[in-house]
Amino acid sequence: QQQVKQSPQSLIVQKGGISIINCAYENTAFDYFPWYQQFPGKGPALLIAIRPDVSEKKEGRFTISFNKSAKQFSLHIMDSQPGDSATYFCAGTSGSARQLTFGSGTQLTVLP
Amino acid sequence: EAQVTQNPRYLITVTGKKLTVTCSQNMNHEYMSWYRQDPGLGLRQIYYSMNVEATDKGDVPEGYKVSRKEKRNFPLILESPSPNQTSLYFCASSLSSGLGYTFGSGTRLTVV
Repeated sequence: QQQVKQSPQSLIVQKGGISIINCAYENTAFDYFPWYQQFPGKGPALLIAIRPDVSEKKEGRFTISFNKSAKQFSLHIMDSQPGDSATYFCAGTSGSARQLTFGSGTQLTVLP
Repeated sequence: EAQVTQNPRYLITVTGKKLTVTCSQNMNHEYMSWYRQDPGLGLRQIYYSMNVEATDKGDVPEGYKVSRKEKRNFPLILESPSPNQTSLYFCASSLSSGLGYTFGSGTRLTVV
C-alpha cells in the first residue's frame, strides 16, 4: 500500500517556467510534510516542509500548498532554473520515531 | 562539517556472501535510519533506531540486520545477500524532533 502517491513521474519545464509536483497521502497520522531534493550521485536533502495546520509555506522560489481536507499537497517551483533539475520526493512523517514515508519521486528537467 | 558518512560507495558481491555497510554521523543525532531506493518506488525504510540499543523494523526489513551500539554508528548487515537486494542504500540521521533528516551519499550495492 503506497501511503504517499506522487505525480508526475517526470516533468520537463522551460527555464523561467513554473514546475508543479503533486502528492496525495492516505495516512492521517502524518503530522509533518517535507520535500526532499536529490541530485545525481547524492543523497536526498531537505528542501522545504510544512505542518498540516498551515495551508501554504513559501521559501524563495519554492512554495508548498497544503489541502488537509483533500489530503493533498504540492510543490511549486517558480522561475524554474536548469540548476533545479533533480529528483524531488514528497514525504510524510509520523509517530514518535518520526518515520519518513516517501512518494515515488519526480524527475524534473529544466531546459535552458 | 556535519555529515553522514557511508562506506563503501560502491559494492559488487556474490549471492550469500555476508557484507556490512557502515554509517556514521557526527551531529549527535538520536535517530538513524536505513533506506533503499529503487526506480519507481522512492525510498523505503529498512530499519530505524531511536537511540542506542533501540532498533525497529521499517517497511522492508527482510534480509537485513542492524545494530546501534554507539550513538554515532548504525551499520547495515546483509547476512546472506540475494540479487533482489541489489539497490541504492541510504543512511540518514535526525534529531529526535525528526524535522529534517540528513542523508549520506549512498551505497550502490550489486548482488550477482
